[in-house]
Amino acid sequence: DVKVTQSSRYLVKRTGEKVFLECVQDMDHENMFWYRQDPGLGLRLIYFSYDVKMKEKGDIPEGYSVSREKKERFSLILESASTNQTSMYLCASRPTGQAYEAFFGQGTRLTVV
Amino acid sequence: GQQVMQIPQYQHVQEGEDFTTYCNSSTTLSNIQWYKQRPGGHPVFLIQLVKSGEVKKQKRLTFQFGEAKKNSSLHITATQTTDVGTYFCAGKPLGGGSQGNLIFGKGTKLSVKP
Repeated sequence: DVKVTQSSRYLVKRTGEKVFLECVQDMDHENMFWYRQDPGLGLRLIYFSYDVKMKEKGDIPEGYSVSREKKERFSLILESASTNQTSMYLCASRPTGQAYEAFFGQGTRLTVV
Repeated sequence: GQQVMQIPQYQHVQEGEDFTTYCNSSTTLSNIQWYKQRPGGHPVFLIQLVKSGEVKKQKRLTFQFGEAKKNSSLHITATQTTDVGTYFCAGKPLGGGSQGNLIFGKGTKLSVKP
C-alpha cells in the first residue's frame, strides 16, 4: 500500500521560530510537492522537487524553503514563522509521466502564535 | 500563468439531488485528474481523463473531458451524504509546465442535507 507520511498532524509554533515539516514517501517517486490549503483558496503550490537536490518554486514560495537530500524525503522549512503561515500543509508525491496520480500525506495543521 | 478555474466554490444540495462541478483551463491539457477530499481528510485520487471528449463513469459519478481538452466536469447523480467533501480537478498542461506538476483548481465544496 502506497504511503506518504508527514511527521506531524498538528503543530503549534511561536512567531519567529524556525519550523521544519517533514514528508516521507515509500513509492520511489521522483516528484514531491508541498501545498498549503486555506479556506476558499484551494491547494496552492509552495515548492516542488523533481529529483534529489532539485527544486522549483511554486506559486507562493515566499517565506519558505525546501530540502531534498534523499529521494524519499522532502522537507519544508519556515525560516521565521509568521502568523500568516498558519495553515494546513499537504505533501504529495507523484511519479514522472503523464498518467500518474498524486498521493497525498494526511496533512499538518500548523498554528503560529 | 497557467490556471485551472473551478466552479462553483460551494454547493449545498438536498440528498437525492444531482450535483455538477466544472473546470476550465486557460491552456490545453494533456490530461485531467479529479480528487475528493473528505472533511478532515486529504485529497484522494478518483479518476484521470486523457482523450478528447472522453467520458468515464464510476457508479453515480460521471466525468467528462471537453473536446478541446480545456474543460472538464464531474456530475453526481442522486447525491448521498457520503458524497460530502471537496472535489478538486487537476490538469497537466500540454507540452509545458514543469515535469510532474499538476495545476489544481480551487475545489468545489459539496454539502448534502439529509
